[in-house]
Amino acid sequence: EDQVTQSPEALRLQEGESSSLNCSYTVSGLRGLFWYRQDPGKGPEFLFTLYSAGEEKEKERLKATLTKKESFLHITAPKPEDSATYLCAVQIMGNFNKFYFGSGTKLNVKP
Amino acid sequence: ETGVTQTPRHLVMGMTNKKSLKCEQHLGHNAMYWYKQSAKKPLELMFVYNFKEQTENNSVPSRFSPECPNSSHLFLHLHTLQPEDSALYLCASSPGTSIGQPQHFGDGTRLSIL
Repeated sequence: EDQVTQSPEALRLQEGESSSLNCSYTVSGLRGLFWYRQDPGKGPEFLFTLYSAGEEKEKERLKATLTKKESFLHITAPKPEDSATYLCAVQIMGNFNKFYFGSGTKLNVKP
Repeated sequence: ETGVTQTPRHLVMGMTNKKSLKCEQHLGHNAMYWYKQSAKKPLELMFVYNFKEQTENNSVPSRFSPECPNSSHLFLHLHTLQPEDSALYLCASSPGTSIGQPQHFGDGTRLSIL
């Protein structure tokens, strides 16, 4: 069964304290892995797409990496405005219509 | 106006009411999606439309009825809903349904069933 699991469920960091969020997946064939950011009362906002193991993408303080079983979202020297829920989703081989989402990691960065 | 717009933002309805959610995208995309987001649960894909044709119905109960009159507009017609249908309903669009095309989301309709 295709499955996406994110950990931790919640993460509290001090401003400047770097950390990583995990997205592990068990799917029949990965075609793409997506990271989104969701602020309270808003829809998810697209961050990155990763396609193959070894690929990395960066945007400001965020860096996403991908292996054959999981993806990490590394946050370097976070700021309070990075506080949000981070979602990952996978698109699988054979049905590009379907996106499987994880439950998200709620990040809280304290000043 | 840009992006994906959903109306209304909030909706409270009784179980016997009929209402509709509306989604409009100004991105020139060809694919549109409905998702259900419940607290502490993953987003659940409900329906997918590509060039106005429904290409995915993820075993959604018939009390939810989608309509896609053109590539820019998507509706979700609601009738005889249950309390467990209370959730945030998100609309999204993408250029198409090919590999790696990210979805752009609206801010959702918060639905409460009394």
